[in-house]
Amino acid sequence: ETGVTQTPRHLVMGMTNKKSLKCEQHLGHNAMYWYKQSAKKPLELMFVYNFKEQTENNSVPSRFSPECPNSSHLFLHLHTLQPEDSALYLCASSQDQGRRNYEQYFGPGTRLTVT
Amino acid sequence: GQNIDQPTEMTATEGAIVQINCTYQTSGFNGLFWYQQHAGEAPTFLSYNVLDGLEEKGRFSSFLSRSKGYSYLLLKELQMKDSASYLCAVRDSLGGGGNKLTFGTGTQLKVEL
Repeated sequence: ETGVTQTPRHLVMGMTNKKSLKCEQHLGHNAMYWYKQSAKKPLELMFVYNFKEQTENNSVPSRFSPECPNSSHLFLHLHTLQPEDSALYLCASSQDQGRRNYEQYFGPGTRLTVT
Repeated sequence: GQNIDQPTEMTATEGAIVQINCTYQTSGFNGLFWYQQHAGEAPTFLSYNVLDGLEEKGRFSSFLSRSKGYSYLLLKELQMKDSASYLCAVRDSLGGGGNKLTFGTGTQLKVEL
């Protein structure tokens, strides 16, 4: 596997379910991100991890719970979601050192539908 | 606050040149990125500007004016495969670590014969 992978690619869940999204990067990067992409809206940053430490929580509801066990893996645990949480969830990674601006590499996303 | 504006849709002809504009008002600035996103796929990096001026990369060029809060992406010799959404994103000034990007809503480009 190369680049950034995400599983599952599609997920349908009820509002009372608990599920997890998985992201893995094979690029040796130290920073990982979760984004939400809804129709007609900008990509919305949710969480940032740098060297496994969370450095950003963009006022995300607690029904979304991230986990970063190491620099290569990132999870997003979901529970008691709402229909408006249906969206494409994108994972990204980058090599973030000091003030250098390294581009972010995105995974293919998980298309989530909450019923 | 952060505000990034770009046109919602554009249409252009195969072989032509198209310019996609982006204006931004952000609390900090540490670079501007352009990404391309085909329907159902991940965004892919196209270009990065942090200093004023033009950056050229093959058929794609990107321009930045920091004093005007303005950038554009120029696509030359358009091909049908260039039909995609083009996302403008600004990196805030660093604070707390991480590479925090704020994205515009994207410009959906349609290339026609």
